[in-house]
Amino acid sequence: GAGVSQTPSNKVTEKGKYVELRCDPISGHTALYWYRQSLGQGPEFLIYFQGTGAADDSGLPNDRFFAVRPEGSVSTLKIQRTERGDSAVYLCASSLLPAGVGANVLTFGAGSRLTVL
Amino acid sequence: LAKTTQPISMDSYEGQEVNITCSHNNIATNDYITWYQQFPSQGPRFIIQGYKTKVTNEVASLFIPADRKSSTLSLPRVSLSDTAVYYCLVGDRQEDKLIFGTGTRLQVFP
Repeated sequence: GAGVSQTPSNKVTEKGKYVELRCDPISGHTALYWYRQSLGQGPEFLIYFQGTGAADDSGLPNDRFFAVRPEGSVSTLKIQRTERGDSAVYLCASSLLPAGVGANVLTFGAGSRLTVL
Repeated sequence: LAKTTQPISMDSYEGQEVNITCSHNNIATNDYITWYQQFPSQGPRFIIQGYKTKVTNEVASLFIPADRKSSTLSLPRVSLSDTAVYYCLVGDRQEDKLIFGTGTRLQVFP
């Protein structure tokens, strides 16, 4: 597609529920990133995929968070047993070049705003 | 990754030139300096990247002194639509993640 697409744009859920957030990267982009942004803060790194594999998941806050990218394109961020502190905007970004090659220039989607009541 | 320091906020008026300076005293030899812009309800957008001296594109200029311990993003003749948060990032191209600070919130007034 022309840009990075994220769905849903807004998600309201109750504490303890399971949530999935989807990211469609730019076609042909091999690198995919998930970030989380709280109000008034800069984006916080969660996980990086190169192809189908998670090359760096050091930013995932705990084991309730998990992300997959089974075919090397679309990615899903999964959050189990949501907590109120998980409320944030979840941003996805993609890059044509893998990390370590080129300029690390990322194209971000508009984000998925998650609200946990 | 080198830590960056930039002003929390800046105000300007339409038509003025805006310069946002970022300090990165611990920048490493292989680090590049990158600026992103973020509008409300949108993800950050790449503006410009440089290693040394001066880089210019259709949006902005980036000035980097010889010691590379700081850099200045210059926005010529800002308009209301330049109101956004601007992030300065410093990192090695080998790194697999960008580390964002809190950015500089630029408000442009008519």
